[in-house]
Amino acid sequence: AQRVTQPEKLLSVFKGAPVELKCNYSYSGSPELFWYVQYSRQRLQLLLRHISRESIKGFTADLNKGETSFHLKKPFAQEEDSAMYYCALSRGLGSYGNKLVFGAGTILRVKS
Amino acid sequence: GAGVSQTPSNKVTEKGKYVELRCDPISGHTALYWYRQSLGQGPEFLIYFQGTGAADDSGLPNDRFFAVRPEGSVSTLKIQRTERGDSAVYLCASSLGGSGNTIYFGEGSWLTVV
Repeated sequence: AQRVTQPEKLLSVFKGAPVELKCNYSYSGSPELFWYVQYSRQRLQLLLRHISRESIKGFTADLNKGETSFHLKKPFAQEEDSAMYYCALSRGLGSYGNKLVFGAGTILRVKS
Repeated sequence: GAGVSQTPSNKVTEKGKYVELRCDPISGHTALYWYRQSLGQGPEFLIYFQGTGAADDSGLPNDRFFAVRPEGSVSTLKIQRTERGDSAVYLCASSLGGSGNTIYFGEGSWLTVV
């Protein structure tokens, strides 16, 4: 069975400090991993996906198949990064669509 | 353009009543998903439509839950004989067809069963 684990419910850091949001997964196939973010009073939105290997808003995430991890990192946290972050794993649905399996989420709180 | 639209944004209903939640996906998106998010949890998959047909309904918890998408655009999630445990945020999402496309979420319908 596919499972995504985010061990921290809350991560609190000071502005300018490094951030690492942990995500571990279990999946027998070749996973596609995502990070979604939900800012206060906004809808859930895609932050980044591992296949695109991009840096979005200073965040990066590397898929480590050996450790089955996809941790989200940012070298210097900003107050506007405060949000709920969800790690998700995708299992394709044939030729169409994705079925996302989400972790429970981690609240990131950046203090000034 | 407009994003995924969901109505109502909030619904309070009595135990045992019937509820309908509506989703209007992004224009041109053939794939439509329903997820349920309980307090303190991440979203959980309920059902996926490709066009008008439910391609995967493995996440529906029981036969009180049903969803339709008769014209391949707007979808309605229907819950019969609601129970207090059905209280959650129901999220709709859509994407272009194809497993590599980004999934866009609506703001959700917050259902409270009293």
